[in-house]
Amino acid sequence: IAGITQAPTSQILAAGRRMTLRCTQDMRHNAMYWYRQDLGLGLRLIHYSNTAGTTGKGEVPDGYSVSRANTDDFPLTLASAVPSQTSVYFCASSLGASGTHEQFFGPGTRLTVL
Amino acid sequence: AQKITQTQPGMFVQEKEAVTLDCTYDTSDQSYGLFWYKQPSSGEMIFLIYQGSYDEQNATEGRYSLNFQKARKSANLVISASQLGDSAMYFCAMRETYSGAGSYQLTFGKGTKLSVIP
Repeated sequence: IAGITQAPTSQILAAGRRMTLRCTQDMRHNAMYWYRQDLGLGLRLIHYSNTAGTTGKGEVPDGYSVSRANTDDFPLTLASAVPSQTSVYFCASSLGASGTHEQFFGPGTRLTVL
Repeated sequence: AQKITQTQPGMFVQEKEAVTLDCTYDTSDQSYGLFWYKQPSSGEMIFLIYQGSYDEQNATEGRYSLNFQKARKSANLVISASQLGDSAMYFCAMRETYSGAGSYQLTFGKGTKLSVIP
């Protein structure tokens, strides 16, 4: 593994189903983030984690939950998917939660909720 | 109100020419950071350049430079000697300090699609 990996690459999901998007980084970064990207809206932050064991809500957290049991993994769960959650989801990480640290992004997960 | 505004949905530039992508921002913080990311058609997000609010000089990274005008709250990306591989979406982003939250979150603009013409 090099950098950030996300799984699955893409998924079609029936509305009402539960889904977990996986994100793993091997850079020992402290901070991790989940964004969704929708056409014309750019990237919007869903949840973040400054360090293992802590999480926080971003701009659009409703319908999503996260956990950060260890440094490397930051899964995003949709408890009951709805069509408005159709989007491309990006996981990102940065060395720290502050300073000049840029965020490194995973390749994204394309999710379609029908 | 938008915190990051990119007014150019699409731009065209001739190969080997320079191009400026506009970005204005809105913040009341004294300490903040500005980032530019590139997103090619393959979808990945690639970090290009960073400018801190206290940096006195404009940031440069190879063919990329950031024209930072603090009083005007603008952070335009300049790409010199455009190449066909520069065709992509470009996003401006800002990092602010959220009091009490302890997280330095990035807020993104809606992006500019740059097309380089041979």
